[in-house]
Amino acid sequence: EVKLVQSGGGLVHPGGSLRLSCVGSGFPFSERHMDWIRQAPGKRLEWIGRVQTETSDLSTHYAASVSGRISISRDDTDSSMYLQLDSLKIDDTAMYYCARADQDGFDLWGPGTMVTVSP
Amino acid sequence: SFELTQPPSLSVSPGQTTNITCSADSLGNKFVYWYQQRPGQSPLLVIYKDDKRPSGIPERFSGSNSGNTATLTITGTQATDEADFYCQAWDSSTLYVFGGGTRVTVL
Repeated sequence: EVKLVQSGGGLVHPGGSLRLSCVGSGFPFSERHMDWIRQAPGKRLEWIGRVQTETSDLSTHYAASVSGRISISRDDTDSSMYLQLDSLKIDDTAMYYCARADQDGFDLWGPGTMVTVSP
Repeated sequence: SFELTQPPSLSVSPGQTTNITCSADSLGNKFVYWYQQRPGQSPLLVIYKDDKRPSGIPERFSGSNSGNTATLTITGTQATDEADFYCQAWDSSTLYVFGGGTRVTVL
């Protein structure tokens, strides 16, 4: 079965950090760019970043809204991708999805993991 | 910055055709993707590159994109199609952009 499984998340205090994981299976993980997309409650989807494949030098690209606070990495030996987001704010409260990139879109999504930033 | 605009909501009767629009300047020059998000679920790609349907997506879903508007059409809308639908495109300045979403209610 082709799928993405996510872990991490939960309640975090403002100023804290989060680290989320995403594991792919059923497809050649190393051959696909991977992304993180989030959705605040009642809001639209927001792309926050990408890690490209090793053949693309593992380049990362980040949204301006999180630039400077975000780091995305991958470990193809484990078919895993990671999101680190620091200096968390209340506005970072959202469901975080990992997604597999397909050219200019996203053809496979994880189930999501909720992150709540609260005092 | 590049923004995609969708109507917030639509209501349709079962069996009728649903047209969901997504607008932006010169959108026809970009590829548009559509996602269906049922309550409590993650998004599902239903249309890619304007009008292509992924494997497993019913034929009643179709897409078009021209000028400033892309359209997702559901022909013969079913109760199971009730969901939020998001359009998405890539822009060189804003990168990956999503529309605000359209809630489709099947009455």
